[in-house]
Amino acid sequence: EIVLTQSPDFQSVTPKEKVTITCRASQSIGHSLHWYQQKPDQSPKLLIKYASQSISGVPSRFSGSGSGTDFTLTINSLEAEDAATYYCHQSSNLPLTFGGGTRVEIK
Amino acid sequence: QVQLVESGGGVVQPGGSLRLSCAASGFTFRNSGMHWVRQAPGKGLEWVAFIWHDGSNKYYADSVRGRFTISRDNSKNTLFLQMNSLRAEDTAIYYCANDPCAGNICYSIYWGQGTLVSVSS
Repeated sequence: EIVLTQSPDFQSVTPKEKVTITCRASQSIGHSLHWYQQKPDQSPKLLIKYASQSISGVPSRFSGSGSGTDFTLTINSLEAEDAATYYCHQSSNLPLTFGGGTRVEIK
Repeated sequence: QVQLVESGGGVVQPGGSLRLSCAASGFTFRNSGMHWVRQAPGKGLEWVAFIWHDGSNKYYADSVRGRFTISRDNSKNTLFLQMNSLRAEDTAIYYCANDPCAGNICYSIYWGQGTLVSVSS
């Protein structure tokens, strides 16, 4: 099973600050890494697919990069509505797995 | 727009069974693979199962294999999850999600609002 390790677990950030979340895979997964945002009491929402591909309707301040085992989600100029938990997810190998999540709090 | 509406959750005793449903609309259901993903209270996401667009292939997490069965009725645009021999650790919100790929696993695009399954005596 591919283990995805996210860091940090928690981040408290002021508006307009830049946020960087990393996701490390226990073995190479190519570009088969996707990012989701989950706000309290809501279902997850797809932000980035295949490491760096943007999703229609998702604000351009969200971007992704990486390949192989190391991936990054960047939120440029954080807004209050970005308070949420962010998960990485790999679809390279079965069983599909998710990272443990990174909770982003707005100061 | 895409809508996925789960139902069938509830409280069940250990060892019991439940059947979850997911009604889909707003996309071509018969062309999409479908996932079930769960989330225990206050915890992260756990993938449960995936089914190909035509139901010909199914994949399961080790934690549910042999107890859960994923299926679909393309004539009714509905996905199912039959859950047997339920355990306390199956307590979670269960989400269905669609996948843009028909005969392969790509990623989950849209998710339903989830249905809560609580296994307790």
